[in-house]
Amino acid sequence: GESVGLHLPTLSVQEGDNSIINCAYSNSASDYFIWYKQESGKGPQFIIDIRSNMDKRQGQRVTVLLNKTVKHLSLQIAATQPGDSAVYFCAEPNAGGTSYGKLTFGQGTILTVHP
Amino acid sequence: EPEVTQTPSHQVTQMGQEVILRCVPISNHLYFYWYRQILGQKVEFLVSFYNNEISEKSEIFDDQFSVERPDGSNFTLKIRSTKLEDSAMYFCASRPRGRDKNIQYFGAGTRLSVL
Repeated sequence: GESVGLHLPTLSVQEGDNSIINCAYSNSASDYFIWYKQESGKGPQFIIDIRSNMDKRQGQRVTVLLNKTVKHLSLQIAATQPGDSAVYFCAEPNAGGTSYGKLTFGQGTILTVHP
Repeated sequence: EPEVTQTPSHQVTQMGQEVILRCVPISNHLYFYWYRQILGQKVEFLVSFYNNEISEKSEIFDDQFSVERPDGSNFTLKIRSTKLEDSAMYFCASRPRGRDKNIQYFGAGTRLSVL
């Protein structure tokens, strides 16, 4: 069945450190993943996405790595800032073979950045 | 920058009452979604809407729920007879046409409190 989940529910880092947030998925046919950031009192915001034909994709201070062999992806945030404190979700569109774009979210990791 | 807007930000209602949650999606978007998030849990898909009809719905979206796009701008979620367990954050999302990218844009949410 469809399953997108996270290893660690909380992550606490010091400002300036690099952060790594992990996500596991169960369907080897999954081909597209999205990371969302949810700040307190707000809706999820798109951060970065990756297709299964890529192992790595970089954005501004963020990098997503995809390991299809072990069905794992990670979000790396470089030089983490207090403004990065939020809940981070991995999400998969159209999990289970649907086609209208429904997002299946993982459990979420709470990232807390200490000044 | 265009954004999805939701009203009200907080709705308090008595059990058994009807509520209507309102959303104005981004104007050129064609796919519309409702999600909910119970406190401390992950975001869950409720329903997707395309071409003036429901394209997919989850098990949560039972006969007590309905969606409507009454005009060219609003997208509403109605709960006919609210239950205590309907208390949650409800997020509206929209995305443009095209299945290659599934970047959904979320509103800030409506907090529904059922007493």
